[in-house]
Amino acid sequence: DIQMTQSPSSVSASVGDRVTITCRASQGLSSWLAWYQQKPGKAPKLLIYGASILQSGVPSRFSGSGSGTVFTLTISSLQPEDFATYYCQQSNSFPFTFGPGTKVDIK
Amino acid sequence: EVQLVESGGGLVQPGGSLRLSCAGSGFTFSTSEMSWVRQAPGKGLEWVSYISSGGSSKKYADSVTGRFTISRDNAKNSLYLQMDSLRAEDTAVYYCAREMTGTSGDAFDIWGQGTLVTVSS
Repeated sequence: DIQMTQSPSSVSASVGDRVTITCRASQGLSSWLAWYQQKPGKAPKLLIYGASILQSGVPSRFSGSGSGTVFTLTISSLQPEDFATYYCQQSNSFPFTFGPGTKVDIK
Repeated sequence: EVQLVESGGGLVQPGGSLRLSCAGSGFTFSTSEMSWVRQAPGKGLEWVSYISSGGSSKKYADSVTGRFTISRDNAKNSLYLQMDSLRAEDTAVYYCAREMTGTSGDAFDIWGQGTLVTVSS
């Protein structure tokens, strides 16, 4: 199975800050990597797929990059509605696996 | 409106069974690959099971293999998860999710609101 790790596990940031989250896979994924945002009590929301493709309707301050085993999600200017937990997920092979999550909270 | 609506969750004793349902609308359910994803209280997301659009291909996480069965009825735009021999560690919110597939990458683009399954005596 492909193991996914994320760093940091949590980050405290202020509105307007640039935030970068890193996701690492135990095997190469090519670009079969997605990012999700989840707020408490809500279902996850797709932000990025194919490592770098912005899902329709997602603000352009979100961007993704990387290929192979190392990927990043960047929020260029943090907004109040961005405080949430972010997960990466690989769809390269079954079983699909998620990273443990990165919680972005208010500094 | 594009949506998925789960139902069937509840409280069940260890060793018991439960059947979850997920109704899709606003998109072409019959050509969509579907999965179940769960989230234990205060924990991260765990993929549980996958089914192809026609139902011929099914995949399971090791943690549920032999106990859970995924199925679908495209005539009813519905997805199901039969859960048997339930354990305390199966306690979670269960989400159904549509898998967006393509050459650029696969991802879960439509999610239900989730249904809570609690396994406890």
